[in-house]
Amino acid sequence: EPEVTQTPSHQVTQMGQEVILRCVPISNHLYFYWYRQILGQKVEFLVSFYNNEISEKSEIFDDQFSVERPDGSNFTLKIRSTKLEDSAMYFCASSPRWSLNTEAFFGQGTRLTVV
Amino acid sequence: DAKTTQPNSMESNEEEPVHLPCNHSTISGTDYIHWYRQLPSQGPEYVIHGLTSNVNNRMASLAIAEDRKSSTLILHRATLRDAAVYYCILTGGNKLVFGAGTILRVKS
Repeated sequence: EPEVTQTPSHQVTQMGQEVILRCVPISNHLYFYWYRQILGQKVEFLVSFYNNEISEKSEIFDDQFSVERPDGSNFTLKIRSTKLEDSAMYFCASSPRWSLNTEAFFGQGTRLTVV
Repeated sequence: DAKTTQPNSMESNEEEPVHLPCNHSTISGTDYIHWYRQLPSQGPEYVIHGLTSNVNNRMASLAIAEDRKSSTLILHRATLRDAAVYYCILTGGNKLVFGAGTILRVKS
């Protein structure tokens, strides 16, 4: 069964460093998303991406964050200068189309620890 | 985004049916009702979704009230592997807005 894969599974970085989280969405999907979940809290939407541009972003997704689909298969989330409060699980998701009548497929997540 | 209300937690015995309720009194006519679950240390996983009619799939059934202001996710025979947080989400836009969900505990 096709799945969304994320790498690395765990990333430790020092405060102020740049980090790139990588995702390979399901191959024929067109919509891509990043969500995050701080330990013990809700899953929060960060950004959605379609046709090589951001279609929606949340207030969390400020200038420190960026997304890219560099090569037609990978979908990356970059945090330019990490803060302690960026420590969280980051989930990538993809869906085959934009529609209220479709499901999203999530990866297993990358645990980001900022020290 | 329209809001949903779910119980914080529920408990079930293994091999018994589980009915997980969700209230969504402000649902709009175009909102689909989606259910996802999150097993411990994993990403969210799609369970089922519907608009007006009841829906069945291999994982669960979704019963939607006639006025669409509430719905119930039905797991026909709970197993230990069904222990997870279950989220009821209304999709009114191109994103999923997760609430706190219902923690389902399954006892053997």
